[in-house]
Formats: sequence, structure tokens, C-alpha cells
Amino acid sequence: AQTVTQSQPEMSVQEAETVTLSCTYDTSESDYYLFWYKQPPSRQMILVIRQEAYKQQNATENRFSVNFQKAAKSFSLKISDSQLGDAAMYFCAYNQYNNNDMRFGAGTRLTVKP
Amino acid sequence: DTEVTQTPKHLVMGMTNKKSLKCEQHMGHRAMYWYKQKAKKPPELMFVYSYEKLSINESVPSRFSPECPNSSLLNLHLHALQPEDSALYLCASSQDGASNTEAFFGQGTRLTVV
Repeated sequence: AQTVTQSQPEMSVQEAETVTLSCTYDTSESDYYLFWYKQPPSRQMILVIRQEAYKQQNATENRFSVNFQKAAKSFSLKISDSQLGDAAMYFCAYNQYNNNDMRFGAGTRLTVKP
Repeated sequence: DTEVTQTPKHLVMGMTNKKSLKCEQHMGHRAMYWYKQKAKKPPELMFVYSYEKLSINESVPSRFSPECPNSSLLNLHLHALQPEDSALYLCASSQDGASNTEAFFGQGTRLTVV
């Protein structure tokens, strides 16, 4: 079974600074998707960014970017120019290609200090 | 329309009650999911429906009974629940098959069993 590990239960960043959230995963598959989801206090899970394993180029969405290291099975999220609205729980997730079985890491609670 | 709508938002029920949670999406997604999320924990997969057929059941107790009446609707019938079943129940949907990408989540139903 695939597992997703987030080793940072909590992280803190100063507004306008950059922070990196870590995620590692374990799989024997070669085709899969990786995601970062954000869950604010409103509790709705919101997709932040997605990476297809077959793509070598790291995904970027505005202030959010990933560092995808397939061989190391690492998938970190970098948030640049952090904003107060970025404060939330961040979950790393794995989904095997052609399979509806998304699995989440334990989450990292991000605090943004003004 | 990129929404997944869950009703009710909050539910309090006794251990002898029967209630249902409802989920609806109109994005043409053919995979729908139920997740259970306890406080400060990641979502845990309960059930997956693919093309209106149950494809994954994560050994969930029979007091939880899913139903997928059509491709847009997903229900979760609750009966004889225990206080430890109190949690946030999240519904999600995604495209299915080879085009499977990210899951879209509803805002959840906060369930309290008394």
C-alpha cells in the first residue's frame, strides 16, 4: 500500500517570506499523481497544485511551486511571498494513475505571522 | 459549475437514529468518494463509487451504508452510530479512468453522535 509522510506537524512563516513544506511517499508504481491540498478553518479541501509523475518539470501555480524528486520519492511545496490567507492545514496526497484511491499525509499546519 | 454540494452542513443524531448525508456534483465526474476526517487528522477514505458502482470499501462498519442513485448523487446512510463516529464527513468527486486527476471536495458535514 502506498503511504504519504509529512514530517512537519507545524510550520510558521513571516508574511511575505518563503516557506517549504515537506512530503515523502512510498510506492512501487511508476505512474501516479501527487497533490497538495489546503484546508482552511472553513474546512473545505482546496487543491493548491498537482504534479503528474511522468512530467519532469516541476509544477507551478502563481506563488506555489513544487520540488518533485521522483527517485527520492519527495514532493515538497514552496510558498513564496506568504500571505495571511495562506494560513491553513496543508495535506500532501498521492493517487495512483487510473485508480480512484487518493491517500493523504498527516498534514502540516501553517501559521503566517503578520 | 465546479462545486460539490453536501447537505446538511451540521447534523446531531442519537445512537438510535437513522439519518442520511447527501452529496451532489454536476461536473460530469464519474468517481465519487466518502471520506471521514477526525479533528487534526487527514481524511480517511471510506468508499469510492466508479460509474455508480461501489469500487472501494475500506472495511467500513455496516452502520455506514453508501448509495449512488445516479452519476450526480451520492448518499451515506447512517444507522445506530456510536459517539466515536462523530467527525467531519467529506464528499469528493473526480474524473475517472485514464483522465483521472484531482478530486474536488465539498465543505463537509459535521456529524455529532450523542
